[in-house]
Amino acid sequence: GAVVSQHPSWVICKSGTSVKIECRSLDFQATTMFWYRQFPKQSLMLMATSNEGSKATYEQGVEKDKFLINHASLTLSTLTVTSAHPEDSSFYICSAPEPTGRYGYTFGSGTRLTVV
Amino acid sequence: LAKTTQPISMDSYEGQEVNITCSHNNIATNDYITWYQQFPSQGPRFIIQGYKTKVTNEVASLFIPADRKSSTLSLPRVSLSDTAVYYCLVGDWNNNDMRFGAGTRLTVKP
Repeated sequence: GAVVSQHPSWVICKSGTSVKIECRSLDFQATTMFWYRQFPKQSLMLMATSNEGSKATYEQGVEKDKFLINHASLTLSTLTVTSAHPEDSSFYICSAPEPTGRYGYTFGSGTRLTVV
Repeated sequence: LAKTTQPISMDSYEGQEVNITCSHNNIATNDYITWYQQFPSQGPRFIIQGYKTKVTNEVASLFIPADRKSSTLSLPRVSLSDTAVYYCLVGDWNNNDMRFGAGTRLTVKP
C-alpha cells in the first residue's frame, strides 16, 4: 500500500537553531500533504496544507515564517522549524491522501522534536 | 467541515467487542467517514472507511445509519494491543480537509 516516509524519527536541537523534517511519498505522487503537531495526550492539530509547486496554506495561529513548508516535488514535502524554542518541542506528523481514495490518508511515523 | 464528537475514553476487557460511536450531525452529502488508530509516538493508521450502511474489513466493522449523522466503529474481540486512541474523521476527499477531533482513548484490560 501507499507509504509515507518521515525523517528523522526524533531530533534534539538547541534553542535558536533550525530543524528540517522530511516527508516522502514512497510509491505514489502526492500533490497535497498535511502537517500536524501533537502535544502529549492531545489530538493532532493541523498546522498547514502543503501544495506541490505553490505556497502552503497555514492554519490560523500558525506562524508561516517560523514553520517553513516546501513542497518542491510530487514526492517530497519538508517542514523547517526555524529559530526553535523549547515550546516548539512536540510530535510532528505528515500525511498524504492515499492515491486510490479507498484507504483514507496515509500518515508518516512522526518526528519527535525536543528543543533544549 | 462536519464536526465530530466521540467519547473521550472507554475501557474494555480482552475478548470483548468494543463499539465506539461518533456523532457528526452536519455531515455533508459528499463526506466519507474514516476511522484511524493511533499508538503513542506513532502516526495514525487507517482502520476503515465508509459512506453508508455497513462496511467490514479484516480488523473492524463500520455501521452507518441511514441519516449518516453518526457512525459506530466495532472492534471484535479486542486484545491488549488494541489499546490506543481512535479517531473518527468526516470529510470530502476533494476538499482535502483533515482536521482531527479529540478521539477516544480505548484501554483494554486483561
